[in-house]
Amino acid sequence: DAGVIQSPRHEVTEMGQEVTLRCKPISGHDYLFWYRQTMMRGLELLIYFNNNVPIDDSGMPEDRFSAKMPNASFSTLKIQPSEPRDSAVYFCASSLSFPRDGNQPQHFGDGTRLSIL
Amino acid sequence: GENVEQHPSTLSVQEGDSAVIKCTYSDSASNYFPWYKQELGKRPQLIIDIRSNVGEKKDQRIAVTLNKTAKHFSLHITETQPEDSAVYFCAASPWYRDDKIIFGKGTRLHILP
Repeated sequence: DAGVIQSPRHEVTEMGQEVTLRCKPISGHDYLFWYRQTMMRGLELLIYFNNNVPIDDSGMPEDRFSAKMPNASFSTLKIQPSEPRDSAVYFCASSLSFPRDGNQPQHFGDGTRLSIL
Repeated sequence: GENVEQHPSTLSVQEGDSAVIKCTYSDSASNYFPWYKQELGKRPQLIIDIRSNVGEKKDQRIAVTLNKTAKHFSLHITETQPEDSAVYFCAASPWYRDDKIIFGKGTRLHILP
C-alpha cells in the first residue's frame, strides 16, 4: 500500500500564477479530504469528496480556490490566481469510510509545501 | 458549528515524566474524538481515538479521557521519550456531521533530555 500520494512536494511560484496540487488517495477509499495547515490557523478542512462528489466545500476560502475529483483515484486543488497569503502546507487525506466507523482513520499524504512569492 | 480549543500550545516535559494535553469542545452532539501526532515535516497520523460511549481508552503509554458533561477530553503520555516530541492535534466530530472532523490548533510537545 503506497498510501496517499501528493504532488508536488514543494511548489514555489510568483503571485498571480495558477497553482495545481494533486492527490491520489489510497485505492478503495471513498472519502477524500483537502486540508490547509498554517501556524496561525492550524489544520483547516477545505473541501471533501465522497465517491468523487463534493460534499462540503464550506472551508474553501474564496472563489480563487477550486477542487475536482474526476475519478476515484485522482483529485486536484487549484488556486487561480495565487496570492502570498495562500502560502501553507496543503494535505490530502483519504478514508475508507467515516473515520468513526470501524476505527477507520483518515490517512494523510506527505503534503505540498506551497510558497507564493 | 463545533469549535475545539486546545491547551497548552507548547509543552516542555523532562524525559520520563508525563505529559497532558487538554481540549474542550463546544457542540454537545460531538461523539468522536481522535488524536493525531505530527512529527516535524511529516504528515499527521492518528495515534488514538475515543468515542462518547466510553470515558477512557489506553494504548501502551498513551491514554485519552473524556468528560462529556464538561465537554473536555485529554491526552496523557506517560514515561515520555524523545520520539514523543511532535505536534499533537485533538479533534471532534458531531454525530450529525460524522463525515467532518474539527481540529484543535495543536500542541507542540518538547521532550527535554
